[in-house]
Amino acid sequence: DAKTTQPNSMESNEEEPVHLPCNHSTISGTDYIHWYRQLPSQGPEYVIHGLTSNVNNRMASLAIAEDRKSSTLILHRATLRDAAVYYCTGGGSQGNLIFGKGTKLSVKP
Amino acid sequence: DSGVTQTPKHLITATGQRVTLRCSPRSGDLSVYWYQQSLDQGLQFLIQYYNGEERAKGNILERFSAQQFPDLHSELNLSSLELGDSALYFCASSARGNMNTEAFFGQGTRLTVV
Repeated sequence: DAKTTQPNSMESNEEEPVHLPCNHSTISGTDYIHWYRQLPSQGPEYVIHGLTSNVNNRMASLAIAEDRKSSTLILHRATLRDAAVYYCTGGGSQGNLIFGKGTKLSVKP
Repeated sequence: DSGVTQTPKHLITATGQRVTLRCSPRSGDLSVYWYQQSLDQGLQFLIQYYNGEERAKGNILERFSAQQFPDLHSELNLSSLELGDSALYFCASSARGNMNTEAFFGQGTRLTVV
């Protein structure tokens, strides 16, 4: 199963961009990279996912390194509502999501 | 609202008892995943069902079992409960059996074993 490594915590100022890094050096060539976020006592929320090329949606952008050993989730303008634990996860060998410890993002007004 | 419904939201029970957690996936989703989240272990994958069949198994204890019914809802059965089973249990669903598509999580069932 893919193992991911993320910083334990990061801080950002409101309305500034945030770049959340993730290393996933053991991910297989066919596994998608997923990002989810979780607020306290709530279920994880899907943010974005991709395979090789960069991806954009209304919530964020995902930049995937050419060698696929790392990726970066980009929140273009952080808001207070973006404060959460962000999980980078690669697909498990059996087609499921394996979660690490995630990065706790704090957003300062 | 993710479209995934979990019941009950909260459950308090005694050690040694058995409980059943229920999950209704998003309309049209064929895969259901169960996760356990405790303070010290993070999100642990338990088991996946796809269109009624077990697809993948994670760190699920022998005291735990699950099934997916023909209408695609799923139940997670936890028996001989111990204090350490106290945790949030999440269900997620996705359209297909692999992770080429996004998964949607329910709001969870908070289980407290006393």
